Amino acid sequence: EVQLVESGGGLVQPGGSLRLSCAASGFTFSSHSMNWVRQAPGKGLEWVSYISSSSTTIYYADSVKGRFTISRDNAKNSLYLQMNSLRDEDTAVYYCARVVWSGYYFGSWGQGTLVTVSS
Amino acid sequence: QTVVTQEPSFSVSPGGTVTLTCGLSSGSVSTTYYPSWYQQTPGQAPRTLIYSTNTRSSGVPDRFSGSILENKAALTITGAQADDESDYYCVLYMGSGIWVFGGGTKLTVL
Repeated sequence: EVQLVESGGGLVQPGGSLRLSCAASGFTFSSHSMNWVRQAPGKGLEWVSYISSSSTTIYYADSVKGRFTISRDNAKNSLYLQMNSLRDEDTAVYYCARVVWSGYYFGSWGQGTLVTVSS
Repeated sequence: QTVVTQEPSFSVSPGGTVTLTCGLSSGSVSTTYYPSWYQQTPGQAPRTLIYSTNTRSSGVPDRFSGSILENKAALTITGAQADDESDYYCVLYMGSGIWVFGGGTKLTVL
């Protein structure tokens, strides 16, 4: 069974940093591209960042470009999101999601981790 | 900037049929955008319903179907049930590892 488990969320002050992790199991992590998707309280889903299976290709939404860094460690079956210069509007539940390239969609989702940016 | 449009809300009677749509602020949605649909209930992670326009994800009941209707992606629920009351999101693949979500449709079954 595919499992994605996010961790690392919490309360942080504006301008602060936080690192999210996503532990993957039940599939060959090193063969799959991954994404981070977030959802602000009471709002819709927003794609945040993409990383290819070998980390050679990375993309970011304009809203986080220059502040967030996506990475992965295939040996540890883990995905990461380093978030710096956090703003109030970054407050959201952050989900990691597995890409299924045969259909260009998100085939599996974690349960999410809440990041709250507030003073 | 690409904007994916969805109806903010919709209601359907139990047993009824409803079609939710997913469009582009400029241009038409086609299969080349590989539209996918996700269902989300409050406090839960999204659940994949439909991908590649019209392929149901594993375990999804056949009352859910996807299509392209009048230049928009569409999600049709036939024989709506009470537990279909959820938020529904469409996502379009823009290429090069970039996806854009629609704003979501809140479906009420009453």
